[in-house]
Amino acid sequence: GQNIDQPTEMTATEGAIVQINCTYQTSGFNGLFWYQQHAGEAPTFLSYNVLDGLEEKGRFSSFLSRSKGYSYLLLKELQMKDSASYLCAVRDKGDSWGKLQFGAGTQVVVTP
Amino acid sequence: KAGVTQTPRYLIKTRGQQVTLSCSPISGHRSVSWYQQTPGQGLQFLFEYFSETQRNKGNFPGRFSGRQFSNSRSEMNVSTLELGDSALYLCASSLVLGESSYEQYFGPGTRLTVT
Repeated sequence: GQNIDQPTEMTATEGAIVQINCTYQTSGFNGLFWYQQHAGEAPTFLSYNVLDGLEEKGRFSSFLSRSKGYSYLLLKELQMKDSASYLCAVRDKGDSWGKLQFGAGTQVVVTP
Repeated sequence: KAGVTQTPRYLIKTRGQQVTLSCSPISGHRSVSWYQQTPGQGLQFLFEYFSETQRNKGNFPGRFSGRQFSNSRSEMNVSTLELGDSALYLCASSLVLGESSYEQYFGPGTRLTVT
């Protein structure tokens, strides 16, 4: 199984940059996902990393280092609507496609 | 393209009763996974279905069961409900091509309250 750790909460100002770290321990690794979840809503997919390096998608970027068991999600030019919980999830190599292990989530609060 | 749909959206049941939740995946998606989300435990994997077969099961008691139909729609059932089963139940579907799978898309969830 996996141990997935991410900070509980982060606060940042509108227009700033925030980096959410995620560390994981796994017996095998087959991909890391980031999801955004607004209060009372379903998680929405943000990014997927399976190889080392940086994936950029507009204001959001995600980085992976498999040797360090480490990923981060970078949110640039923060907007008020980015206030949400950000979930890191890992797929184990021995698991089927549809089984993801989720971290507890990082609540990002964007202030004016 | 329509997203993942779940019915009902809200449900209130009494301890000891049973409940069935339904999930319709995105058209063309054959993999359906179910998760339970609670404030204390976060998102926890329940089970996954692909081509009407259960491919994986999480660490939940046998009271939790599911199935998938030939049109990829899925249902999950919880029997002998307990207060601790109160949670948001999320269904997610993903596209599978050959041996590759892609990101999971979540439905809006069913909010189950057990009294």
